[in-house]
Amino acid sequence: GNSVTQMEGPVTLSEEAFLTINCTYTATGYPSLFWYVQYPGEGLQLLLKATKADDKGSNKGFEATYRKETTSFHLEKGSVQVSDSAVYFCAHQSTGTASKLTFGTGTRLQVTL
Amino acid sequence: EAGVAQSPRYKIIEKRQSVAFWCNPISGHATLYWYQQILGQGPKLLIQFQNNGVVDDSQLPKDRFSAERLKGVDSTLKIQPAKLEDSAVYLCASSLGVRNEQFFGPGTRLTVL
Repeated sequence: GNSVTQMEGPVTLSEEAFLTINCTYTATGYPSLFWYVQYPGEGLQLLLKATKADDKGSNKGFEATYRKETTSFHLEKGSVQVSDSAVYFCAHQSTGTASKLTFGTGTRLQVTL
Repeated sequence: EAGVAQSPRYKIIEKRQSVAFWCNPISGHATLYWYQQILGQGPKLLIQFQNNGVVDDSQLPKDRFSAERLKGVDSTLKIQPAKLEDSAVYLCASSLGVRNEQFFGPGTRLTVL
C-alpha cells in the first residue's frame, strides 16, 4: 500500500548548518509530494510541494526535488535558523478523485545558537 | 482570510464517555477532512467530505466514530464511547476541491483517561 518513510528525529543542528531530512515513499501511479511544517503550538502548514518527476519545490530557503527513480523527496536547507525549529512531515497525495494525504511520522528539528 | 476554525482546543474525558469536535472550514471550500494524529505519528485521514457527501471513510472506526457535514459547511466528529487509544490530536482541514491545497486548523487535543 501507499506509505511514506522519513528519517527519525530529533535532529539537532547549530544555526547556519546544512539540513537534510530524508523522505522516501511507496505509491501507485504518480503522486504529488509535499513537505508540511508544524511549529510549536500551531497547525500544519504547507512548506513546499512537487507534482511531477524532477520538479523542485522551494520555499523559505527550503528545497526538495521529486526523484521518481529513487522514490525520494528529501528536504534540504543550506543554512538553518533557530526559527526553523519545528516538526517536518513528508506526505504524498494519491491520484484519482480522492485526495487522501499519506504522512510520514514527522522529524523534529531543533536549531541552537 | 480566516483560517480553519476548530473547537474545543483541548478536551479531557474518561473512557466510555462521548465527545464531539467542531470544525468550520475556510469559506467556499467544498472539501473537508478529519485527520487523527497520535503522538509521535503523522496525521491519518479518518474521513473526507465533498460538500455534504462522504468521499472516503475507509479508516474511520465506524463502531464508535461518526461525522457529519450538514449543509456542506461546518462539520462535527463524534466519538462514542471513547477508548484510551483515542487520545490524539484531531485535525480538520479544508480545500477548494479534491486536488487543491489542504489548509489545516489548529487541532483539538483529546486525552482519554
